[in-house]
Amino acid sequence: AQTVTQSQPEMSVQEAETVTLSCTYDTSESDYYLFWYKQPPSRQMILVIRQEAYKQQNATENRFSVNFQKAAKSFSLKISDSQLGDAAMYFCAYRISGAGSYQLTFGKGTKLSVIP
Amino acid sequence: GAVVSQHPSWVICKSGTSVKIECRSLDFQATTMFWYRQFPKQSLMLMATSNEGSKATYEQGVEKDKFLINHASLTLSTLTVTSAHPEDSSFYICSDVDYQNQETQYFGPGTRLLVL
Repeated sequence: AQTVTQSQPEMSVQEAETVTLSCTYDTSESDYYLFWYKQPPSRQMILVIRQEAYKQQNATENRFSVNFQKAAKSFSLKISDSQLGDAAMYFCAYRISGAGSYQLTFGKGTKLSVIP
Repeated sequence: GAVVSQHPSWVICKSGTSVKIECRSLDFQATTMFWYRQFPKQSLMLMATSNEGSKATYEQGVEKDKFLINHASLTLSTLTVTSAHPEDSSFYICSDVDYQNQETQYFGPGTRLLVL
């Protein structure tokens, strides 16, 4: 069974600084997707970034980027120039690739606080 | 990303009553939708996979007679909590699968249920 581990229950960062959230996963599959979702206090789950395992290039979305290390099964999220609106729970998620395989496996989450 | 709506956003009911939560996929036809439950400060727990035109697939430990799921159309899935009790109080979130976007899951805003 696939598992996703987020070892940092809470993190904090100064506004405008950079922070990295850790995520590791365990799988025997070679083709899969990895995601970072953000859940602000409103509790709306928002997709932050997505990475296909077959792509060696790390995904980026504006201030958000990932460091995907497939051999190490590591998928960390870097937030640059942190803003107050980045304060939220961040969940790392895994999904196997393939038709009909849509279920996500979530980590337990990391609560990010942004200090003004 | 895809837009998913949920209704109601919050509901308070008496113990023993049934509550229906609607989940609508606004951008496209969703043959597959998911229902999650989230307790405070915890991750999302998958309850069931809702399949259009067929029976839902429930995760182990989820009572199918307690949580009735109907996916009668390609844009609407409903979750009915039957004979609700205080322990059913939780945050319920649905998601749909965007087949045009690498089968990424997009989430509704959630429904907060409080059973008195």
